[in-house]
Amino acid sequence: GIQVEQSPPDLILQEGANSTLRCNFSDSVNNLQWFHQNPWGQLINLFYIPSGTKQNGRLSATTVATERYSLLYISSSQTTDSGVYFCAVFTGGGNKLTFGTGTQLKVEL
Amino acid sequence: NAGVTQTPKFQVLKTGQSMTLQCAQDMNHEYMSWYRQDPGMGLRLIHYSVGAGITDQGEVPNGYNVSRSTTEDFPLRLLSAAPSQTSVYFCASTPGGYPVETQYFGPGTRLLVL
Repeated sequence: GIQVEQSPPDLILQEGANSTLRCNFSDSVNNLQWFHQNPWGQLINLFYIPSGTKQNGRLSATTVATERYSLLYISSSQTTDSGVYFCAVFTGGGNKLTFGTGTQLKVEL
Repeated sequence: NAGVTQTPKFQVLKTGQSMTLQCAQDMNHEYMSWYRQDPGMGLRLIHYSVGAGITDQGEVPNGYNVSRSTTEDFPLRLLSAAPSQTSVYFCASTPGGYPVETQYFGPGTRLLVL
C-alpha cells in the first residue's frame, strides 16, 4: 500500500518561531488533508489540499501532487500550536485515509 | 449540527468481554469510517461504509464487526475484547462521491482492555 512519511518526527520551537513540516507520499493520491491533534487528543481539520497553496491565518499549506509531497508552514508559533500534526492521503474508493506517523510539535515560552 | 459524535468517551473492559462503540453523524454524509490510534502512531483504518447497508474492511479489521442500517449511525462491535485492542478509536464521516471531500472526525473513544 501507499507509504506516507512525515518529517521531522519531533520539533521544539520557541514561541514566535516559524517552521515547515513535510509530508511525502509514495504513490498518486486523490487528495490530502492536514490535521492537528491537540494535547487532549482531538483531531482538528487544518487543510484539505489536493494541490496548490492555501492559507488560514498563521498556517499555510502547499501540495505538489506531481512530486508527491506537501508542506505545512507555521508562522509566529504559539504554545497553543503544540500537539501532533498529521498528514493523511485519500486512496481508492470510500474516501479512505492513510495517515502519516506525524510530527510532534512543542512550542515553548 | 452536532457533527460526529461518539459514545462512550472512556471504557475499560476485561479480556473476552464484548461491547459496541457508537458513532453518529447528523450531516447526512454517505461515507463513514472507523480508525484506531495506538500510542505514537497515526490512525489506521478498521472498517468503512459507503452507504447504508454497505460496509468493507480497512487495514486492520480483525476482531471488529460493523453494520450500517441507517445513514446516521455506524457502530463498531468488539465481540471478544483482547488487550491488543487497547487503543483510541475515532469515527469519521464525509459526504462521499467525487471529488473527495474533507473527512470530519469525532472526539474519540479511549478503550482499555485488561
